[in-house]
Amino acid sequence: DAGVIQSPRHEVTEMGQEVTLRCKPISGHNSLFWYRQTMMRGLELLIYFNNNVPIDDSGMPEDRFSAKMPNASFSTLKIQPSEPRDSAVYFCASRVGGIPKNIQYFGAGTRLSVL
Amino acid sequence: GQNIDQPTEMTATEGAIVQINCTYQTSGFNGLFWYQQHAGEAPTFLSYNVLDGLEEKGRFSSFLSRSKGYSYLLLKELQMKDSASYLCAVDNYGQNFVFGPGTRLSVLP
Repeated sequence: DAGVIQSPRHEVTEMGQEVTLRCKPISGHNSLFWYRQTMMRGLELLIYFNNNVPIDDSGMPEDRFSAKMPNASFSTLKIQPSEPRDSAVYFCASRVGGIPKNIQYFGAGTRLSVL
Repeated sequence: GQNIDQPTEMTATEGAIVQINCTYQTSGFNGLFWYQQHAGEAPTFLSYNVLDGLEEKGRFSSFLSRSKGYSYLLLKELQMKDSASYLCAVDNYGQNFVFGPGTRLSVLP
């Protein structure tokens, strides 16, 4: 299996621009998670989906952030407009829900720099 | 509320044994996971505990006490490649993970 695939790996943009991060979960996994990692705040859960339905978006910082999962094999995280404080590494993870030891598998991450 | 605590940094010598502690307070517990994260890379799964006791896997072992809200990761025969951050995460009601702040381990020659 190819694992969780994220794109792009690196993104550099200017303040005010729209940024879209993409994630393809592992085939057969029905839960998908978006995280943000910074030195100051560690690994934070932004939002997660079960069976393509958003379950908890309480970690989304503000209305500038939105996430969608139109089908079982694709999800996006959008920031509009972007700000310098959004600079971080964004990880996507997936897992099979509803079983014991349901390990989350992480993608390689997108390193976002907002200038 | 949910709270997970780990030491920020630890240093150990190649060939030694190191224990990384994790304490947690969560409302819904469905297992505790340990992940390893090398600098610039994604977290990768190391171990899982759901019942009290010790789980051993090669050079790595993990212990859990649910009554104490306590876990540790034990790394034996340390190697330079073990220099990384180690994250504990509580599976919250089987729905999502709550991650601790991570412990950065430096292994010195």
